[in-house]
Amino acid sequence: DTGVSQDPRHKITKRGQNVTFRCDPISEHNRLYWYRQTLGQGPEFLTYFQNEAQLEKSRLLSDRFSAERPKGSFSTLEIQRTEQGDSAMYLCASSLGGGGRYEQYFGPGTRLTVT
Amino acid sequence: DAKTTQPNSMESNEEEPVHLPCNHSTISGTDYIHWYRQLPSQGPEYVIHGLTSNVNNRMASLAIAEDRKSSTLILHRATLRDAAVYYCILRDVGYGGATNKLIFGTGTLLAVQP
Repeated sequence: DTGVSQDPRHKITKRGQNVTFRCDPISEHNRLYWYRQTLGQGPEFLTYFQNEAQLEKSRLLSDRFSAERPKGSFSTLEIQRTEQGDSAMYLCASSLGGGGRYEQYFGPGTRLTVT
Repeated sequence: DAKTTQPNSMESNEEEPVHLPCNHSTISGTDYIHWYRQLPSQGPEYVIHGLTSNVNNRMASLAIAEDRKSSTLILHRATLRDAAVYYCILRDVGYGGATNKLIFGTGTLLAVQP
């Protein structure tokens, strides 16, 4: 297993454009998480899936953000009408189970720059 | 999730042991202690976690105080590759749908000198 993968690794877009990121979790992991990290800060939770069900969303996830995980495998995070404040590293993680017994494994992230 | 307190930064010399402290005085009986680290320009990396007993793995050791109000991540021989931000995070065991997310603080920036 090659771990969690994310695509693209870097994305530069103009303000107002839509962008979509993809995350492929570790194959046997049924939990998938999205986080956002800005410079100098720790990652902040955005949303969480158990299989295909989106079970929790942060207040950070405005109406312009949508995440899906069809068939409980890969996940996509879409940002509509991007703003400069959306510039950040978007991280995906997966885990075998929920709660404190289980560790999360992170992908390399997608760095978004909105110009 | 309960709050943790870590020093902002620490320094170590290469090939020497490093002890990274974490205080979590409000930890509950069902909180696991997790450690992650983040190397520059990379996603966080899981290091180790434990509940009550000390834990060892290929990366590090986790020493948990008897009252569980503090813990220490031990890197036995620091290398230049260990220079990273280390995060100590408490996570509830997860019964009854408790939160599954990781709540990151600012962590400890570890510098390793050659």
